[in-house]
Amino acid sequence: QSVLTQPPSVSAAPGQKVTISCSGSSSNIGNNYVSWYQQLPGTAPKLLIYDNNKRPSGIPDRFSGSKSGTSATLGITGLQTGDEADYYCGTWDSSLSGVFGGGTKLTVL
Amino acid sequence: QVQLQESGPGLVKPSETLSLTCAVSGYSISSGYYWGWIRQPPGKGLEWIGSIYHSGSTYYNPSLKSRVTISVDTSKNQFSLKLSSVTAADTAVYYCARGYSSSRNDAFDIWGQGTMVTVSS
Repeated sequence: QSVLTQPPSVSAAPGQKVTISCSGSSSNIGNNYVSWYQQLPGTAPKLLIYDNNKRPSGIPDRFSGSKSGTSATLGITGLQTGDEADYYCGTWDSSLSGVFGGGTKLTVL
Repeated sequence: QVQLQESGPGLVKPSETLSLTCAVSGYSISSGYYWGWIRQPPGKGLEWIGSIYHSGSTYYNPSLKSRVTISVDTSKNQFSLKLSSVTAADTAVYYCARGYSSSRNDAFDIWGQGTMVTVSS
């Protein structure tokens, strides 16, 4: 059971937009920055978003992040088949540890 | 560019200690940043294990804290993970990673490729 809650799966057609939610509490998301990762099959996670809505160099602006209260959302526009992956949210917790969501599998139909 | 590479035994017996090392190239650990360990059981999600600052201060996942030790060896430019009293539940791909900012460890921007560790007799 992960500390942060994500939907197990989402799907959308190529070219469309999809959002992935991440729900936490005041002990984690409510008082800390949220990050998002993309994990393609058989590879290490890749940082997509940090500090709620900032993108590392090289990450296209099709990827966006937002946070409100104790929840965060990852948005992906202009979906491509190459976006099929598992997506994880992460943040810091009052237990002085990092925490992750359970992951969401994105299917591009 | 900065690269991380995990190494260690791929098979560990139950009740023994799992030991992994992460070699860092392209950057001197002693210059800064947090360095962390994350694991992923087969078919499951990511689990944050712990992190260490270049100065040696550490943070551990409370659920693993009694069994985990993370240390840094600046002379070899590497950091290590030890997990004691392992069981089959510790079978996972273990990743090492760098904190994305010189003073932050709540996100990781550079990851190793990961190494699979199986706990079995």
